Amino acid sequence: EVQLLESGGGLVQPGGSLRLSCAASGFTFSNYAMTWVRQAPGKGLEWVSSISTSGGDTYYADSVRGRFTISRDSSKNTLYLQMNSLRVDDTAVYYCAKHVGGGPWGQGTLVTVSS
Amino acid sequence: EIVLTQSPDTLSLSPGEGATLSCRASQSISSNYLAWYQQKPGQAPRLLIYGASSRATGIPDRFSGSGSGTDFTLTISRLEPEDFAVYHCQQYGRSPYTFGQGTKLEIK
Repeated sequence: EVQLLESGGGLVQPGGSLRLSCAASGFTFSNYAMTWVRQAPGKGLEWVSSISTSGGDTYYADSVRGRFTISRDSSKNTLYLQMNSLRVDDTAVYYCAKHVGGGPWGQGTLVTVSS
Repeated sequence: EIVLTQSPDTLSLSPGEGATLSCRASQSISSNYLAWYQQKPGQAPRLLIYGASSRATGIPDRFSGSGSGTDFTLTISRLEPEDFAVYHCQQYGRSPYTFGQGTKLEIK
């Protein structure tokens, strides 16, 4: 069974940093591109970033480019999202997903940016 | 950036009826890389359809996707009580891999 488990969310002040992790199991992690998607409270889904199987190609939404970095460690079957210079409007549940335009998704981790 | 517009914003129907949800793109989506997701309150989205018309594993056949280019449709025949949720479309043909704003399917 495919499982994705996000962690690392929490409360952070504006300008701060967090690193999210997504532990994957039940599939050959290195064979799949991976994606982060977020959902602000009461809002729709926003694609954040995707990474290729090798990690050599990364893609970002304009809203996070230059502040967020996606990476992966296939030896640990883990996907990461390093988030720097966080802003209030980064507040959201962050989901990791297998594939681009696919699934399944993890249950998400809440990031709250507030002073 | 490809903008996806879903319609209607809200659809009120009764169990047993059929539902038709639309997703229109501002530009043609390459290779029909269009996905549909279902999301219930407090839950993560669940993949229903990928490649515009392929059902994901375990998805009942009352869910079907169609369309190409810029116009796509999710059809749910014979609504079950558990089908009332928010539905999102996403294009993954060209980065940024944008989502529509969502359609809420509610019980009439």
